[in-house]
Amino acid sequence: GQQLNQSPQSMFIQEGEDVSMNCTSSSIFNTWLWYKQEPGEGPVLLIALYKAGELTSNGRLTAQFGITRKDSFLNISASIPSDVGIYFCAGPPTGTASKLTFGTGTRLQVTL
Amino acid sequence: DARVTQTPRDKVTEMGQEVTMRCQPILGHNTVFWYRQTMMQGLELLAYFRNRAPLDDSGMPKDRFSAEMPDATLATLKIQPSEPRDSAVYFCASARSGSTDTQYFGPGTRLTVL
Repeated sequence: GQQLNQSPQSMFIQEGEDVSMNCTSSSIFNTWLWYKQEPGEGPVLLIALYKAGELTSNGRLTAQFGITRKDSFLNISASIPSDVGIYFCAGPPTGTASKLTFGTGTRLQVTL
Repeated sequence: DARVTQTPRDKVTEMGQEVTMRCQPILGHNTVFWYRQTMMQGLELLAYFRNRAPLDDSGMPKDRFSAEMPDATLATLKIQPSEPRDSAVYFCASARSGSTDTQYFGPGTRLTVL
């Protein structure tokens, strides 16, 4: 079935550093979503993107909807310890408005 | 602060036993989703409902899994009989009709089948 590949798989960074991660698909998506999951909790929606080329920010987080509509990017600036978690991209494959496909996840660790 | 609630948070059971997981969606959300998360498969959609009617359960093993919404405030996911390979975290999520791409997840039920 549809798969969203995320890279990197994991990241170990120091507090204060900027982070970049991406998500790619073999087919076109009309919506891209970014979620964060902390240990023992469900994913929490961070940013939603609806238009190719769109750039949206939420605090220190910025996400972009790739112009090919087959990829999306998430940047975190000036990372802090509470940024630790797994970041998932997700989207409804074309024609399935409600069914989300989730990416493989990027695990972020922040050291002091 | 509206949230999706799930019970139990943790469940340990023996193979062959029936397991029932419950979810209370956010008030006013009429679309409810059940997901399963494992290390190997990641997050997978099992089934979803709109206005309490099942719309898609193609991700669910039909022989042992069943999902229902007895009323607008309760969704259930039942496994009977349970097997060790069912061990996973099961999440419920809810959304408003027309905004079903923005789903709000519950804290999950961690199921361990011995």
